Amino acid sequence: EVQLWESGGGLVQPGGSLRLSCGASGFTFSTYAMSWVRQAPGKGLEWVSGISGSGGSTYYADSTKGRFTISRDNSKNTLYLQMSSLRAEDTAVYYCAKPRGRDGYNWGNWGQGTLVTVSS
Amino acid sequence: DIVMTQSPNSLAVSLGERATINCKSSQSILYSSDNKNYLAWYQQKPGQPPKLLISWASARESGVPDRFSGGGSRTEFTLTISSLQAEDVAVYYCQQYYVTPPTFGQGTKVEIK
Repeated sequence: EVQLWESGGGLVQPGGSLRLSCGASGFTFSTYAMSWVRQAPGKGLEWVSGISGSGGSTYYADSTKGRFTISRDNSKNTLYLQMSSLRAEDTAVYYCAKPRGRDGYNWGNWGQGTLVTVSS
Repeated sequence: DIVMTQSPNSLAVSLGERATINCKSSQSILYSSDNKNYLAWYQQKPGQPPKLLISWASARESGVPDRFSGGGSRTEFTLTISSLQAEDVAVYYCQQYYVTPPTFGQGTKVEIK
């Protein structure tokens, strides 16, 4: 059974940094691209960033480019999102998501999410 | 970026009746080389992550009840719940995965009338 679990969320001041982690089990982690998707309170879904299975290719939404860094450690079956220069508008539940196929962006598996609150 | 627009924003339907949600993309998401529409539908209940219902515009995921069906092509798509059940109360999102960045519609809230 595929399982994804996020951690690392919390309260951070504007301009601060935070690193999210996503542990994975139940599939061959290194062969799947992974993504982060966020949802602001009471709002819709927004793709944040994606990474290839090898980690060699990374992709970002314009809203996070230059501030967020996605990475993975395939030896630990873990996905990361390093967030810096955080803004109030980054406040959201952050989900990690696995696609149905080896790559692509139709996500068949999601974690439960971790809440990031950016506030002074 | 491809803009996805859903209608209506909310929908109240009686139990057992049909619910239809529309989704329009700002450009075609039909890939000519494989003749597939890169369109997914998700269901999200309060406090839960989204659940993938349909990929490729019309391919239902395993375990999804057959009262859920997807249709359409190129720029216009629909999600139909043929006979609304109480457990179908949720917000539904369409999403294109034709190009990066993948983008979502704003969501349609389905309630019981």
